[in-house]
Amino acid sequence: KAGVTQTPRYLIKTRGQQVTLSCSPISGHRSVSWYQQTPGQGLQFLFEYFSETQRNKGNFPGRFSGRQFSNSRSEMNVSTLELGDSALYLCASSGSTVTETQYFGPGTRLLVL
Amino acid sequence: DQQVKQNSPSLSVQEGRISILNCDYTNSMFDYFLWYKKYPAEGPTFLISISSIKDKNEDGRFTVFLNKSAKHLSLHIVPSQPGDSAVYFCAASAVNTDKLIFGTGTRLQVFP
Repeated sequence: KAGVTQTPRYLIKTRGQQVTLSCSPISGHRSVSWYQQTPGQGLQFLFEYFSETQRNKGNFPGRFSGRQFSNSRSEMNVSTLELGDSALYLCASSGSTVTETQYFGPGTRLLVL
Repeated sequence: DQQVKQNSPSLSVQEGRISILNCDYTNSMFDYFLWYKKYPAEGPTFLISISSIKDKNEDGRFTVFLNKSAKHLSLHIVPSQPGDSAVYFCAASAVNTDKLIFGTGTRLQVFP
């Protein structure tokens, strides 16, 4: 079974630009969660999608948005990038709930200059 | 407001000895706890979990202890091996939610 894949793996953007990150969950998984990892802050929950619906949302500004497609693939968008958005963005998939084992992708490392 | 705290950013242990990683939480509604291990350039991988109805769960060299009254959990690794060197995150989930709250992580280094 293929694991969770994320594209791109690395990205460099400048302030004010927008970015779209992609996540393909494990086949059959319907829940996709997104996290931001920064030094000192650990993994911070962004949002979780299940069957194309956002089920949960963390405490991030509206510049961070996401969506899920009918095949469970998910995208995350960050608009008007700020320097502080530089981080590793991880997505994780699970069958139906986050308390089932979540499988993480390798992450997309975003650098905002 | 950090609901899940890992107060030790790093820990160094000799191979063969016990590693104890600690995690504290503030939300009494948390009822499910997990530990993840993360190597550089890889996503976190699930290690072990525990439900609030239990106070101990064991899987091979890994044991998680939960003290609900103290809102504290710990991960014991015995014996520690160099391959255990990684960042360990604890995470918690509250009743009837589908949201995992992670701690800031503890970097474990196991030296020969």
